[in-house]
Formats: sequence, structure tokens, C-alpha cells
Amino acid sequence: EPEVTQTPSHQVTQMGQEVILRCVPISNHLYFYWYRQILGQKVEFLVSFYNNEISEKSEIFDDQFSVERPDGSNFTLKIRSTKLEDSAMYFCASSELRPGYGDTQYFGPGTRLTVL
Amino acid sequence: RKEVEQDPGPFNVPEGATVAFNCTYSNSASQSFFWYRQDCRKEPKLLMSVYSSGNEDGRFTAQLNRASQYISLLIRDSKLSDSATYLCVVIQPSGGSYIPTFGRGTSLIVHP
Repeated sequence: EPEVTQTPSHQVTQMGQEVILRCVPISNHLYFYWYRQILGQKVEFLVSFYNNEISEKSEIFDDQFSVERPDGSNFTLKIRSTKLEDSAMYFCASSELRPGYGDTQYFGPGTRLTVL
Repeated sequence: RKEVEQDPGPFNVPEGATVAFNCTYSNSASQSFFWYRQDCRKEPKLLMSVYSSGNEDGRFTAQLNRASQYISLLIRDSKLSDSATYLCVVIQPSGGSYIPTFGRGTSLIVHP
């Protein structure tokens, strides 16, 4: 069964450093997403991406965040200058259809980001 | 953005019990609804989509009540392996698009 993959599984970084989280969505999917989940809290939407541009973003997704699809398979989330409060699990997801049209999103296993 | 609310539980039930969870949403223009399950420190995994007519998948039944703005999940004949957190996901309008909003999840513990 096709699956979303993410690397690394765990990233430890110093406050102020840049991190790039990587995801490989399911190959025939067209819509890509990033979410975060702070320990013990709910999953929060960050951004959706379609046709090489951001289609929607939340208030969490400020100028410190950016996304990119650098080639035909990878989808990345960059945090420019990490803060302690960026420590969380980051999930990538993909779907075949656009949100609100019966889509099902498939999640990757997540990257645990720890900012020291 | 309007919220999605779930009783956090935990619901502590014996094997074989029937258990039901509700999830309320406040945006009446919400478009799609899903139940996901999440095991500790793992990714959410789709359990089932929720349709107005109701749908069943084995021991699991999901219902949508648009008039009262809630969705429900019924689990029959609970198994130990059903122990997890059950996440309600509502696709809500935002600007010209739709975005997924998660509830906090309901924790289920099935004991022998």
C-alpha cells in the first residue's frame, strides 16, 4: 500500500537554527499538507499546497515558515529561525482530491522536532 | 475559525462493550467529516469518512447530524486493540478554500 514518508524521524536543533523537514507524498496525490502537534495537544493545520503554490495557511504559518516542492517527489517544510515553542511533532499528509470534496488525507509517520 | 469539540475522556470500557463518541462542530458550512484514530506518538490514521446517510465498517458506525451539527462514532464489541485516541476532523470553509480542523480527540481504553 502506498504511504507518505517523512525524514528525519527526530530532529534536535538549537534555538535560532534553520531546519528543513522532508516528506515524500503518495505519488499520484496532488494536494499536500503540513500539520503540527505539540505534545499533549491537538493536531493543528499549518499549510496546504497545490500546483506548486500555497492554497491555504493558518495563523501559525508565519514568515518563519516556508514550503517547497523542489522536485517531483519531495515536499519540504522549512523553519528559518527555530524557537523553543516550535518543538512538536510535524506531520505531512497528502490527498488525491482537494479539501472539502470528499478527500481522504494520508499522514506520514511524523518528524519529532526538539528545539533546545 | 470555528471550533471542533470532543469529550477528551478517557472512556474506560471492558472488552466486548459498546462505546459511542460524539463530536460537535460550530461552522454550519462544514463540508466533509472524518474519524481518525491516533495511537500514542504515532500519526493519525483514517478510520472512516462520515456521511449524512450514516455508514458502517465492521464494528464501527459513523453518523452525521447536520441539523444539530455533530458527528458520532459507535464501536461495538470493543477489542483491546481499539485502545487509542479517536480524532474528529471537520473540513471547514476558510476564505475561498477549505481547511481541516481537528478535535482534541477522545481517549479510549479497553481493558480485559
